[in-house]
Amino acid sequence: NAGVTQTPKFQVLKTGQSMTLQCAQDMNHEYMSWYRQDPGMGLRLIHYSVGAGITDQGEVPNGYNVSRSTTEDFPLRLLSAAPSQTSVYFCASSYSGQALTYEQYFGPGTRLTVT
Amino acid sequence: GNSVTQMEGPVTLSEEAFLTINCTYTATGYPSLFWYVQYPGEGLQLLLKATKADDKGSNKGFEATYRKETTSFHLEKGSVQVSDSAVYFCALSRPYGQNFVFGPGTRLSVLP
Repeated sequence: NAGVTQTPKFQVLKTGQSMTLQCAQDMNHEYMSWYRQDPGMGLRLIHYSVGAGITDQGEVPNGYNVSRSTTEDFPLRLLSAAPSQTSVYFCASSYSGQALTYEQYFGPGTRLTVT
Repeated sequence: GNSVTQMEGPVTLSEEAFLTINCTYTATGYPSLFWYVQYPGEGLQLLLKATKADDKGSNKGFEATYRKETTSFHLEKGSVQVSDSAVYFCALSRPYGQNFVFGPGTRLSVLP
């Protein structure tokens, strides 16, 4: 099991460029999500998906798009990068191990700098 | 809405000192509570969890007890090691809810 993988590990973009952050998991988890981590603010939810073909917005969705065509993959697209999107991005997946508990598994993160 | 508050630190301790990182939450119903740890350059890893009042989660010498009366889930360890240096996040999720709410994180540095 590779768990949750993310690519690239580092990325530098110029303002206005677009790019896709890749996320994949091999644990057959139904739920996947994207967070951004900024100093002093913890993790904030960008978008999430409860299964293939179903996505929804989180706390800070503006400037990002997602799609979920397969259970395994959940890419995050930056449409027109802005310096405010400089952050570390984490993808996570989860399952319900017991009836009421979802445990999230995180990828190693992508450090994005927008100049 | 749901929220998590934790001491922001940084917290600096000497090896073998006692550790407490405070966490309080606001939530409707009965959330599940978690502590995650992030080592330098890595993603978050689940450290421990508790799903109902008075549950105690424990792992690697760390403990936290779900206190509904004080809406708290404080993290403790009796004797920290240099290898415990990391950022610790308190988090909650609602029953049947897959969305997590994270606190801001507390950076711990343990000196030899």
